[in-house]
Amino acid sequence: AQTVTQSQPEMSVQEAETVTLSCTYDTSESNYYLFWYKQPPSRQMILVIRQEAYKQQNATENRFSVNFQKAAKSFSLKISDSQLGDTAMYFCAFFVNNNDMRFGAGTRLTVKP
Amino acid sequence: DGGITQSPKYLFRKEGQNVTLSCEQNLNHDAMYWYRQDPGQGLRLIYYSQIVNDFQKGDIAEGYSVSREKKESFPLTVTSAQKNPTAFYLCASSIRPRGFYNEQFFGPGTRLTVL
Repeated sequence: AQTVTQSQPEMSVQEAETVTLSCTYDTSESNYYLFWYKQPPSRQMILVIRQEAYKQQNATENRFSVNFQKAAKSFSLKISDSQLGDTAMYFCAFFVNNNDMRFGAGTRLTVKP
Repeated sequence: DGGITQSPKYLFRKEGQNVTLSCEQNLNHDAMYWYRQDPGQGLRLIYYSQIVNDFQKGDIAEGYSVSREKKESFPLTVTSAQKNPTAFYLCASSIRPRGFYNEQFFGPGTRLTVL
């Protein structure tokens, strides 16, 4: 079974500080894609960052970066210089093939002023 | 502006009634998807469609039905057979179907409440 686990239901961080959200997954496939989605209070799902499993280099998008450990099946998201607008639910997900997209249960992040 | 629209934003249904959630996209995407979101759970796939007049069941298709008569439209009907339909429903689309990954773009969602 292909599963995604986010072990932190809720987290908080002070504005301008750094926070890391954890994600582990389980798959027997060798090629897949990993994602972090953000869902703010408006509930609109927004793609934050994407990682292709065959690439060793960790993806980076401005203040967002990932730590991808393929052997450990770990895919954590680091948010630097946290801003109030980063307050949201964050979902880790992975895509294998044939439209099989699996989502974790989410981490609710609150950025405090 | 290109995007995905879902209507209505909020929907209330009495037990025993069927309701239809609308999803329209003007992105010229081939594939469309319906997800269900419950508190404390991630998104779960209900149905997806890779091409007009074709669709496939996802993990939780029981009690739901869909149609894909037009490329831009993928309505979801929640039938009275769905035992616990109260949830947030998200529609998504992507540019290519089966076998390729392309980013899924999401609509704003519909909140369905059974009274």
